[in-house]
Amino acid sequence: ETGVTQTPRHLVMGMTNKKSLKCEQHLGHNAMYWYKQSAKKPLELMFVYNFKEQTENNSVPSRFSPECPNSSHLFLHLHTLQPEDSALYLCASSQVAGQGNTEAFFGQGTRLTVV
Amino acid sequence: GENVEQHPSTLSVQEGDSAVIKCTYSDSASNYFPWYKQELGKRPQLIIDIRSNVGEKKDQRIAVTLNKTAKHFSLHITETQPEDSAVYFCAAGRTGGGNKLTFGTGTQLKVEL
Repeated sequence: ETGVTQTPRHLVMGMTNKKSLKCEQHLGHNAMYWYKQSAKKPLELMFVYNFKEQTENNSVPSRFSPECPNSSHLFLHLHTLQPEDSALYLCASSQVAGQGNTEAFFGQGTRLTVV
Repeated sequence: GENVEQHPSTLSVQEGDSAVIKCTYSDSASNYFPWYKQELGKRPQLIIDIRSNVGEKKDQRIAVTLNKTAKHFSLHITETQPEDSAVYFCAAGRTGGGNKLTFGTGTQLKVEL
């Protein structure tokens, strides 16, 4: 395993539900990310956290709310989602060190279906 | 912001042939270009990356070339094998804080026997 674990692997939720996706990394990295992967679309960056601080919010609707309590854990809180939000949500982590961009390690993803 | 375009969207080759996937980027400040492979139902995994201070990098059967002037970079896979069948994503980003990667739309590579 790559050291990035996501739960749950699959989630079906109604449009009025509230749920959370969890990501945990055991690699000692200091940056974590949420990506959305839809059919026939590129990996879309949603949020970036560096040292627990959010540094990027890529125009994501407020029905997606990230939380990063520490550098090892990242959550994505979901509420009042739409069917078009159905996608694979991937978490990733990397080590930001000086001027070096290092490999982003991805989790297995959560397959979300909004009904 | 950065915009990455990737071509082709699908690529079918015979086993043993070479495969080439091309990407262009828009932000001249981007200096880090990784390539990820995603097999069906699995997570994307880094297969090779290149930084803007070099023009080519090779790792066994895979190589990546970078043309900073033209803002394009390419992935080359030689002697393709069935296990090379997957979706390949290029990405572009900047080193330093933020560590943001912009991905291409992906190329579905199929290696036929």
